[in-house]
Parts: sequence; C-alpha cells; structure tokens
Amino acid sequence: SQELEQSPQSLIVQEGKNLTINCTSSKTLYGLYWYKQKYGEGLIFLMMLQKGGEEKSHEKITAKLDEKKQQSSLHITASQPSHAGIYLCGADRRYGGSQGNLIFGKGTKLSVKP
Amino acid sequence: DGGITQSPKYLFRKEGQNVTLSCEQNLNHDAMYWYRQDPGQGLRLIYYSQIVNDFQKGDIAEGYSVSREKKESFPLTVTSAQKNPTAFYLCASSISGGLAGRETQYFGPGTRLLVL
Repeated sequence: SQELEQSPQSLIVQEGKNLTINCTSSKTLYGLYWYKQKYGEGLIFLMMLQKGGEEKSHEKITAKLDEKKQQSSLHITASQPSHAGIYLCGADRRYGGSQGNLIFGKGTKLSVKP
Repeated sequence: DGGITQSPKYLFRKEGQNVTLSCEQNLNHDAMYWYRQDPGQGLRLIYYSQIVNDFQKGDIAEGYSVSREKKESFPLTVTSAQKNPTAFYLCASSISGGLAGRETQYFGPGTRLLVL
C-alpha cells in the first residue's frame, strides 16, 4: 500500500521567515494535493500537482512536485501569523483498495511567532 | 454560496447509543466521502459514495453505516459497535469520485464527536 510521510511534524518560525514542508511518498504520485486546516475546522484546498517538475504558486505559498514524482514540497515565503495551521498532503490512491480516493499524510503543524 | 455543511458542530454520545452526523452539499457533486481524524493522525477514509444509492467501505468502516438516498446528502451513523468513536469527522465531496481523472475533494467544517 502507499504511504505519505510529512516532515517536519511541527514547526515554529518567526514572522517574516521562510519555511519548507515536505511530503514523501512510498510509491509514484499521480496527483498530489495540499490542504490547510485550522484547529477544529475543515480542510481548505491549496493546490494540486500532477506532472513531474510541476510548480504552482498562490500568494506567498509555492508547491513543487519533484521530477521522479515521489516527493512534494510546500514553501512559504515571508511567513505571517495567518499562515499558522496544519498543512496536510494528500495523494490519489492508485494501489490497493478504494482506488479513486485520497490518502493523507499526518500533517505538519505550523506556528508563526509575531 | 455553494459549499458543504455538517451538523452538529459538536455531538455527544452515550454508551450503547447510535448517533447520526449530517452532511449536505449544494455543489452538485456526484461523489461524497466520510473521514475520521484523530489527534496527530492524518485522515482515514470511512465510507465513500460515487453515485446515489451506492456506497463503498473505506479503510475503517467497522462500526459505521451510511446511506445515499439523495445526491446532496450523505449521513453517517456511528453505531454502538464503534468502541472508540471520539474523533473529528470530516465530510468531503468531489465532482465524480475520480472516475473522470484526478479531481479535488472539498471539505465541510467537521463534527467533533465526544463520548459521555
């Protein structure tokens, strides 16, 4: 079966600093999704990547999928308190049961100190 | 505004009791999903439905049941057989459940279930 591992598990940064969150898959990724979650709330969709080497940006957040399609990174430039939350990566499930669905990493908790 | 609503926000269950979590969407999506989230864990799939009157078990279906009588509604019942129901439950929907290729799932605000 496929597993997604996120690193780091948690991160505390000073406001204005840059940071990177990684998502590594045990198998080739066919669709990689990044979501953000505030504690006790639902997931907000950020970006979806499909092709090896693909890179997408939204405001100060950039996500990349490596050429081999087994790792994705989420980079935040000049972090702000509004960036605080839990970031989860999800991937199209292609191996094992429930194909057509997503599997998720355990999330990275980001805190931004003002 | 289109979106997904879940109710209630908090739900308390007594031992031996069945409880039902509501999920409604007005996005005209065919597919709907239920996930369970535990502290420090990712989301785990409970049940999913790609079309009305049809649904499939996910990874952790034991102790749960669902129905899909209407396109916009996908209620989840947590039965007394679920021995560890305390968790955050998230409902999601997508256009066609991956049948047309990769597609994004959109999530509701969640229901937190607590055991008395």
